[in-house]
Amino acid sequence: AQTVTQSQPEMSVQEAETVTLSCTYDTSESNYYLFWYKQPPSRQMILVIRQEAYKQQNATENRFSVNFQKAAKSFSLKISDSQLGDTAMYFCAFISGSEKLVFGKGTKLTVNP
Amino acid sequence: SAVISQKPSRDICQRGTSLTIQCQVDSQVTMMFWYRQQPGQSLTLIATANQGSEATYESGFVIDKFPISRPNLTFSTLTVSNMSPEDSSIYLCSVSYQMEQYFGPGTRLTVT
Repeated sequence: AQTVTQSQPEMSVQEAETVTLSCTYDTSESNYYLFWYKQPPSRQMILVIRQEAYKQQNATENRFSVNFQKAAKSFSLKISDSQLGDTAMYFCAFISGSEKLVFGKGTKLTVNP
Repeated sequence: SAVISQKPSRDICQRGTSLTIQCQVDSQVTMMFWYRQQPGQSLTLIATANQGSEATYESGFVIDKFPISRPNLTFSTLTVSNMSPEDSSIYLCSVSYQMEQYFGPGTRLTVT
């Protein structure tokens, strides 16, 4: 079975600093996608960034970037220049050919002024 | 991208009653998903709904409790039947569209 593990239930960071959220996954599939979703208090799930497993280059979206280590099955999210609006739950997720997203338990990130 | 709306956004219901949640997407999609998110928890997949066929339920979820309709490629409903306080959760509709998955704003259900 495919699993996604987020080992940090909660994290905090000072505004303007950098924070890294960890995610590991387990799968026997060779083709898959990985995602980071953000869920602010409004509860809307927002896609932050995605990574295709076949791409060696790490995905980047403005202040958000990932460190994708396929052999280690690791997919961490780095948030640079943290902003108060980054305060949210962050979920790591995995999908393969079955098209069913598998979520981690989430990391609650608080950005402090 | 796909834009998803859900109705109602929230409701407070009495034990033993049923609530139907509607999900509308602005694009035609093959697969729609229903998730439950209990307070402080991650998302749990309830079922996958394909148009023209019966929904496929995940372990721990049954059709009698969570009947789903999928009458066309842009709409689905989830009914939470015979509710108990344990059903108090956020229910989210989601679609797979162009290799990305989009979510509706969720329905916050409180059962008293």
